[in-house]
Order: sequence, then C-alpha cells, then structure tokens
Amino acid sequence: DVKVTQSSRYLVKRTGEKVFLECVQDMDHENMFWYRQDPGLGLRLIYFSYDVKMKEKGDIPEGYSVSREKKERFSLILESASTNQTSMYLCASSSWTGRGYTIYFGEGSWLTVV
Amino acid sequence: EDKVVQSPLSLVVHEGDTVTLNCSYEVTNFRSLLWYKQEKKAPTFLFMLTSSGIEKKSGRLSSILDKKELFSILNITATQTGDSAVYLCAVGSGGGADGLTFGKGTHLIIQP
Repeated sequence: DVKVTQSSRYLVKRTGEKVFLECVQDMDHENMFWYRQDPGLGLRLIYFSYDVKMKEKGDIPEGYSVSREKKERFSLILESASTNQTSMYLCASSSWTGRGYTIYFGEGSWLTVV
Repeated sequence: EDKVVQSPLSLVVHEGDTVTLNCSYEVTNFRSLLWYKQEKKAPTFLFMLTSSGIEKKSGRLSSILDKKELFSILNITATQTGDSAVYLCAVGSGGGADGLTFGKGTHLIIQP
C-alpha cells in the first residue's frame, strides 16, 4: 500500500513563527503536492513538485515555500505564520496508472496560528 | 481556467436511502476523473474514470462518466451511517503533476 506520512498532525503556533510541515512517501512517486483545505473552499493547491529540487506554484502559493531535497520528502514552510494560515494541510503524492494519475493523501496536519 | 462543480453541496438522508452525487467539469485537456471519500482525516480513493459509459462498482458504490456532457455521478445504494463523509470529485488534465482540479465536495449525512 502507498503510504504518505505527515509527521505533525496537530500544531499550534504563534503569529510570526516559522513553521515546517514534513511529508514523506514510500512509493518512489515522482510527484508530490501540498494542499490546504478550508470549510466551503475545498482543496486548494499550494505547491507541487515533479522531481527533486523542482517546484511549481499552485493556486495559492503566497506566504508559503517548499523544499524537495530528496525524492521521498516534500516540506512545506511558512516563513512567518499568520492567523489566516490556520487550516488543515494535506500532503499527497501521485502515481501514473497507465490511463491517468491517482493521488494518495497523507493524514493531514491541523495547524492553528494564534 | 479548469473548473469542477459538485452538487449538492450538502445532503441529509435516512439510512437505507439511495443517493446520487453529481460532478460536472470544464477542463482543457481531460485525462481522468477521480472520486474520493473524506471523513475526519485524509481523503481515500474510491474510483478513477477515464472512459464514457463504463460503470465502476465497489460494493454499494458505483460511478459513471459522461465525457460528452462533461459530468460524472456517484451512486450509493442502501446507505449506512458509515457513509457519512465529504465526497470529493477531482479531474485530471494535462497529464502532469499539476493536472488535478478538485470540486468543493458534497457533505453527505446519513441519519439512522
């Protein structure tokens, strides 16, 4: 089974703090993603990566950065957390099935910024 | 801009009822449509559809895609309280890492 692991499940941070969210996948997938999910807004893509050291902005990259130094690991960084970044963050990785991509999600990281 | 619209946004039914969830889409280069079920944590994969008219089935859940009319439905028969969840529809286009667009989801509540 594909496993996508997010190391921090629940965090509470203060405004202005730097926040690291780590994600590791064990299936040698090329593509990894960070989403945030908010009530009424659905899943929104923050950043994705299609290879080591490669990254592309998604729909809402402002206030975030990412790092992919190894294929299995994709980190989301909030340089200076703000209250509007309180959300659930989902990491995902994807595989090609021959007819399309299937995306696998981690358990989610619930971040509260106070 | 790619768009995925799910309806209804929320639905409350009684246990044993049959429900139909809708997903319509507008994308520039359709590759696949995926359905996910999300309870309190991460979404779990249900189906991937790439061809029109071919029903995918798993137990009481089934789904079908209409590429001409640009929509898909997810059916759940004989609903149970464990079916209560948010059901997400996502469309893959372009084939690359950036190819998934999600709808806002349908929040389904099954009352005993």
